[in-house]
Amino acid sequence: AQSVAQPEDQVNVAEGNPLTVKCTYSVSGNPYLFWYVQYPNRGLQFLLKYITGDNLVKGSYGFEAEFNKSQTSFHLKKPSALVSDSALYFCAVTLLSGGYNKLIFGAGTRLAVHP
Amino acid sequence: GAGVSQTPSNKVTEKGKYVELRCDPISGHTALYWYRQSLGQGPEFLIYFQGTGAADDSGLPNDRFFAVRPEGSVSTLKIQRTERGDSAVYLCASSPGQGVTEAFFGQGTRLTVV
Repeated sequence: AQSVAQPEDQVNVAEGNPLTVKCTYSVSGNPYLFWYVQYPNRGLQFLLKYITGDNLVKGSYGFEAEFNKSQTSFHLKKPSALVSDSALYFCAVTLLSGGYNKLIFGAGTRLAVHP
Repeated sequence: GAGVSQTPSNKVTEKGKYVELRCDPISGHTALYWYRQSLGQGPEFLIYFQGTGAADDSGLPNDRFFAVRPEGSVSTLKIQRTERGDSAVYLCASSPGQGVTEAFFGQGTRLTVV
């Protein structure tokens, strides 16, 4: 069965410092991987995705993520955090073979960026 | 509007009642998805429509849940004989067509069964 693990319920970082939000996945097949962000009272917003190709994917708002097949990880990163990045972040996976967005989400990681 | 619209934004109903949740996808998007997000958890897949047909309804928890998309645009998620455990945020998403691409999510309907 497919699954996604986000091992940290919350990540705290000071503004201006680099941030990492961790994600590992388990699938039987080639994965598509996504990061979404959820702000209070707003829907999920797409940040970035990995399909094939370069393992380092760049997305919206200065975020990037690195696909590591051997470690089955897709960690979200940003070189310099902003207070406005504080939100709930979800990693998700689906299968290439599925042909549609049947996303399996992790439980989410709350990012708190302190001034 | 430019985004996915869900109505109502909040719904409180009594246990045993019937509810309908509506989703207006982005114009031209043929793929439509329903997810359910319980408190403290990530969204869980419920059903996928490609056009008017439900191509994958494997996530519907039981036969009290049903969804339709009769004209290939607006979709309605219907829940019969609601239970307190149905309380959650129901999210709708759409994407341009077949294949895997980013899905655009609505703000959700928060359903509370009392």
